[in-house]
Amino acid sequence: EDKVVQSPLSLVVHEGDTVTLNCSYEVTNFRSLLWYKQEKKAPTFLFMLTSSGIEKKSGRLSSILDKKELFSILNITATQTGDSAVYLCAVERGGSTLGRLYFGRGTQLTVWP
Amino acid sequence: DTGVSQDPRHKITKRGQNVTFRCDPISEHNRLYWYRQTLGQGPEFLTYFQNEAQLEKSRLLSDRFSAERPKGSFSTLEIQRTEQGDSAMYLCASSLGQGTYNEQFFGPGTRLTVL
Repeated sequence: EDKVVQSPLSLVVHEGDTVTLNCSYEVTNFRSLLWYKQEKKAPTFLFMLTSSGIEKKSGRLSSILDKKELFSILNITATQTGDSAVYLCAVERGGSTLGRLYFGRGTQLTVWP
Repeated sequence: DTGVSQDPRHKITKRGQNVTFRCDPISEHNRLYWYRQTLGQGPEFLTYFQNEAQLEKSRLLSDRFSAERPKGSFSTLEIQRTEQGDSAMYLCASSLGQGTYNEQFFGPGTRLTVL
């Protein structure tokens, strides 16, 4: 059965700290891995990682994909209170289920001032 | 606003009633997805369309659920004879569906409460 597991489930830090969020997966016919940020509304897209793009960076956020060990990490440096959200990891399979995303439960990040 | 839109944003209904939700994708996107999210969980896939064709349905989508995308633009998700277990956030997403990789963009969701 396909699985996407995120850890930790929740994390509380102070402004300025650096955090690392983890996502491991067991999915047949892997195609891509996506990170989303969800505040009290719909998920907003952060990164997509594929075989041809295993590292992404945008400002204080960065992510890598290890296709051999089947995991990804999302790093946030110099955290701010506005980073408080649930971070979702999702994996897309190829083949007949192309486009369908399998999500983890998310990591609830709380950044205190 | 050129993002994905959903209507209504909130729906409260009594058990046994039928409800219908609407999703308008980003205009040039030909793929449209429906997901369901309950508290503390990630979104779960329900179904998706390529233009007007419904290409896949999850086992989560019981016979009481039906989705349509008649002209390949907006989509509707109907739940008949609602049950309390149907209470959730229903999310719609869209993507280009062309080229190699396409990220999905989500709408604000419809929060359904079944009393």
